[in-house]
Amino acid sequence: EVQLVESGGGLVQPGGSLRLSCAASGFSFSFYWMSWVRQAPGKGLEWVANIKQDGSEKYYVDSLKDRFTISRDNAKNSLYLQMNSLRAEDTAVYYCASLPGFRGPFDYWGQGTLVTVSS
Amino acid sequence: DIQLTQSPSFLSASVGDRVTITCRASQGISSYLAWYQQKPGKAPKLLIYAASTLQSGVPSRFSGSGSGTEFTLTIISLQPEDFATYSCQQLNSYPRTFGQGTKVEIK
Repeated sequence: EVQLVESGGGLVQPGGSLRLSCAASGFSFSFYWMSWVRQAPGKGLEWVANIKQDGSEKYYVDSLKDRFTISRDNAKNSLYLQMNSLRAEDTAVYYCASLPGFRGPFDYWGQGTLVTVSS
Repeated sequence: DIQLTQSPSFLSASVGDRVTITCRASQGISSYLAWYQQKPGKAPKLLIYAASTLQSGVPSRFSGSGSGTEFTLTIISLQPEDFATYSCQQLNSYPRTFGQGTKVEIK
């Protein structure tokens, strides 16, 4: 059974940093592109970043590329999102998702982890 | 960036109704479009990809069509478990944008 389990969310002050993790199991993690998607409270889905199977290609939404970094460790079947200089508007549930290819749909999703940026 | 506009944003329907949701892209995206269903407090679930291909395990009452800039998601005979928010996503280019969502509620 495919499982994606996010962790690392929580309450952080404005200007702070947080590193999210996504533990994958039940599929060949190293064969898949991976993605982070977020959803602010009561809002729609916002794509954040994608990373290629070997980590050699990374894509970001322009508004976050200077503060967020996507990475992966295939030996640990794990995906990460380093978030710096956090702002109140970064408050959201963050989901990781798997993609079967460059233009693949997001076929499996984790349950999400809530990040709250507040003083 | 490619903008996706869904219509309607809100839809009230009854069990058994046929429901159609439209997703319009600001420029052509061939058939690189996916549809997701999301229930409150849950992660999105992939329903349809490549505009019209049903994801494994998704009931056949769901169907998708379209190419280029106009796409539709149709649910024939709406079931109680189908009341949710539906979002389209383009996979043609970066950034991978989503539509704003269509909330389907019980009439």
